[in-house]
Amino acid sequence: AQTVTQSQPEMSVQEAETVTLSCTYDTSESDYYLFWYKQPPSRQMILVIRQEAYKQQNATENRFSVNFQKAAKSFSLKISDSQLGDAAMYFCAYRKETSGSRLTFGEGTQLTVNP
Amino acid sequence: GAGVSQSPSNKVTEKGKDVELRCDPISGHTALYWYRQSLGQGLEFLIYFQGNSAPDKSGLPSDRFSAERTGGSVSTLTIQRTQQEDSAVYLCASSWGDRRVGAFFGQGTRLTVV
Repeated sequence: AQTVTQSQPEMSVQEAETVTLSCTYDTSESDYYLFWYKQPPSRQMILVIRQEAYKQQNATENRFSVNFQKAAKSFSLKISDSQLGDAAMYFCAYRKETSGSRLTFGEGTQLTVNP
Repeated sequence: GAGVSQSPSNKVTEKGKDVELRCDPISGHTALYWYRQSLGQGLEFLIYFQGNSAPDKSGLPSDRFSAERTGGSVSTLTIQRTQQEDSAVYLCASSWGDRRVGAFFGQGTRLTVV
């Protein structure tokens, strides 16, 4: 079974600084997809960024970027120029490239942004 | 609607009662998921519907839990004889069949069993 591990239950960063959230996963598949979701106090899960395993180039969405290391099964999220609105729980998720596959989530990392 | 809609937003029920939680997915989405999130915890998979295929029920914690999806659209999660450990936020998500695209989530139903 696939597992997703986020080893940092909590992280904090100063406003305007950069922070990196870690995620590792375990799979025997070669084709799959990885996601980072943000969950603010409103409970609404928001997709932040996604990565296709067959692509070597790291995904980037404005201030958010990933460091995808397929051999190491690592998928970290970097947030640059952190803003107060980035404070939230962040979840890493995995989905394999097979019909009927579901999203498997990590335990989450609570990010605090200090003014 | 524009997004995934869940109702009710909050539900308080007495131990032993049955509850129904509703999810209206985004129109046209063929996949629908239910997850459970206990306080401060990650997302626990419950059940997954994909088109006309048999649902993946492997995450349902007990036979008190069941879900159905009518007409490939609205889904209802039913919990019978609720227990205090059922207290959690129940999240619904939907997506297209394209697995490259992440799922879109509703705001969840917070269930409190007293």
